[in-house]
Amino acid sequence: AQSVSQHNHHVILSEAASLELGCNYSYGGTVNLFWYVQYPGQHLQLLLKYFSGDPLVKGIKGFEAEFIKSKFSFNLRKPSVQWSDTAEYFCAVNANSGGYQKVTFGIGTKLQVIP
Amino acid sequence: KAGVTQTPRYLIKTRGQQVTLSCSPISGHRSVSWYQQTPGQGLQFLFEYFSETQRNKGNFPGRFSGRQFSNSRSEMNVSTLELGDSALYLCASSLEGQNFYEQYFGPGTRLTVT
Repeated sequence: AQSVSQHNHHVILSEAASLELGCNYSYGGTVNLFWYVQYPGQHLQLLLKYFSGDPLVKGIKGFEAEFIKSKFSFNLRKPSVQWSDTAEYFCAVNANSGGYQKVTFGIGTKLQVIP
Repeated sequence: KAGVTQTPRYLIKTRGQQVTLSCSPISGHRSVSWYQQTPGQGLQFLFEYFSETQRNKGNFPGRFSGRQFSNSRSEMNVSTLELGDSALYLCASSLEGQNFYEQYFGPGTRLTVT
C-alpha cells in the first residue's frame, strides 16, 4: 500500500529563515505529487504539483519542491519564510493502486513563523 | 465563482445513528472527492465520484457510502456511527477528475459522535 511520510510534525522558524519540509512516499510506480497548505481558518489549497517533466517545480508564494525519484522524495522549500507562511502543510501522492486511483496524504507539518 | 460548499458545517450525533453530509462542487466541476481528517491520521481518502459514478475508493468500511447527482452535487452517508467517526469531513472538487488534478477543498463538516 502506498504511504506518505512527513518527518517534521511541528516546525518553528524565525522570519527570513530558510524552510525545507521533508516528504517521502512509498510506491514503486508512476506517481503524481502535491503539496497543499491550510492557513489558519482557511480551506486547504494547492501549493504546487508535479506530474512529469522538470523535477523542480515552483508554486505560489515563492515555494518550490524537488522530486527526487531515486529517493522517493518531494521536499518543499522556501528560501526565506514570512510570518504569513504560518500554516499546516500537507504532502500528497496520487498513484494507481489495485485498479483505483488513490490519493494518500501525509499527516501534515505545522509551521510556525515567529516575527 | 463560488467555491466548494459543504453543509452542515457542524453536526453532533450519537452512536448508532446515521448521518448524511452534503457537498456542492464548484460550477462545472464533475469530480467530487471525500476525505476524513483527524489529528492522529491526517487526511484519509474516502472515495471519488465522477459523472454520478464512484470511480475511486479508499479503505473505509461499507458504513461509509456516497452518491453523486446529475448536477454533480454529492452526499456522503455514514451509518451506525461509532465514536471513532468523529472527524472533519472534507469535500474537494476538480474539473477533470483524472489523476486528481488540482482539487479545490470545501470548509468541511465537523462531525462529533457522542
